[in-house]
Amino acid sequence: NAGVTQTPKFQVLKTGQSMTLQCAQDMNHNSMYWYRQDPGMGLRLIYYSASEGTTDKGEVPNGYNVSRLNKREFSLRLESAAPSQTSVYFCASSDLRANTGELFFGEGSRLTVL
Amino acid sequence: SQQGEEDPQALSIQEGENATMNCSYKTSINNLQWYRQNSGRGLVHLILIRSNEREKHSGRLRVTLDTSKKSSSLLITASRAADTASYFCATDDNYGQNFVFGPGTRLSVLP
Repeated sequence: NAGVTQTPKFQVLKTGQSMTLQCAQDMNHNSMYWYRQDPGMGLRLIYYSASEGTTDKGEVPNGYNVSRLNKREFSLRLESAAPSQTSVYFCASSDLRANTGELFFGEGSRLTVL
Repeated sequence: SQQGEEDPQALSIQEGENATMNCSYKTSINNLQWYRQNSGRGLVHLILIRSNEREKHSGRLRVTLDTSKKSSSLLITASRAADTASYFCATDDNYGQNFVFGPGTRLSVLP
């Protein structure tokens, strides 16, 4: 089983460029999440999607947009990248109906904005 | 703002010793989870403890929860070099839909 797959794994952008991070899960989970991880800050939630067709802002949504394309896929878009968005981005999924609350993470996407 | 805060920020021990990490949080929770992250990898779930539980075991892991003090601890017994990683606690929000992570504890187990 692939679990949660993120692409790309590495990306370098110039300030002002746009890009989309892709995430797909094959566990039939309803909930999906995008986090960013910065040194000493832990993981901060950018956006989440509790179910197909719904998205909600997390702690740090500014500068990002998301799309829950279908149950499997949840993409994160940077419309105009800024150096402050240099970070490692993690996608995660969960089946809250199972009441286990366990998050399954992808391997991360390392983004550098110059 | 972060819900969970791990303590210490970094911990270095010898192989075979026990490692204890603590997590404090601010608001009421439904459950608390611990995750592990190896360098350059994604997070992996270790254990979940519910608000009505006080202690839970899984292999060499022992987690305690004190809701009156809003704190939890993760004990790794008989540590191995392979336990070297960062460990994070995560708490759910009031709606049980979001998970808030602390900054983590970096554990180094020296052979």
